[in-house]
Amino acid sequence: GAVVSQHPSWVICKSGTSVKIECRSLDFQATTMFWYRQFPKQSLMLMATSNEGSKATYEQGVEKDKFLINHASLTLSTLTVTSAHPEDSSFYICSARPLDRPDSYEQYFGPGTRLTVT
Amino acid sequence: GQNIDQPTEMTATEGAIVQINCTYQTSGFNGLFWYQQHAGEAPTFLSYNVLDGLEEKGRFSSFLSRSKGYSYLLLKELQMKDSASYLCAVIDSNYQLIWGAGTKLIIKP
Repeated sequence: GAVVSQHPSWVICKSGTSVKIECRSLDFQATTMFWYRQFPKQSLMLMATSNEGSKATYEQGVEKDKFLINHASLTLSTLTVTSAHPEDSSFYICSARPLDRPDSYEQYFGPGTRLTVT
Repeated sequence: GQNIDQPTEMTATEGAIVQINCTYQTSGFNGLFWYQQHAGEAPTFLSYNVLDGLEEKGRFSSFLSRSKGYSYLLLKELQMKDSASYLCAVIDSNYQLIWGAGTKLIIKP
């Protein structure tokens, strides 16, 4: 149980275009989903926390107009990288916290999306 | 500020035991996680400690001392597949996960 999927697994796009990444909790509902970015040989960096039905909370230094997050349902959150630049190339990982375990802080991670901007 | 320290890299031999340490200084404490991350993959959950003491799960054990701001992950009977990065993460008083930079563990035959 507690499976999270991401789509696409990897994507290559040209500078200036936009890319949408989907994060789905397959067998549980999640009120809260998290988006992380990880550069090579570095740890996870939290970008934003999204709650179903409300606006995402962005971490300091993360441009909310560039990284659009939509948490439309209890099983789906999307991250859209707008006007992508080569420096946005990274490994994007989402995670989800189950709705039915409010006292658990464990996050279940998706497999990640490798974004390369040329 | 909030800080989590782990060694950057460790090397161990197949079949041996290795201990990966994590020290933390955070605003509040609501638990500590250990995750395993293979290269190019997402992290997978290993353990969660919120009370002092040792939690054992098969070949992996995790220890916590809240008074010392210290935890360790102990891996026994090392296998080649254990080569990965091990991430320590603390839940602070705002229930945010604060991540360490990870320890890259290299297993040699």
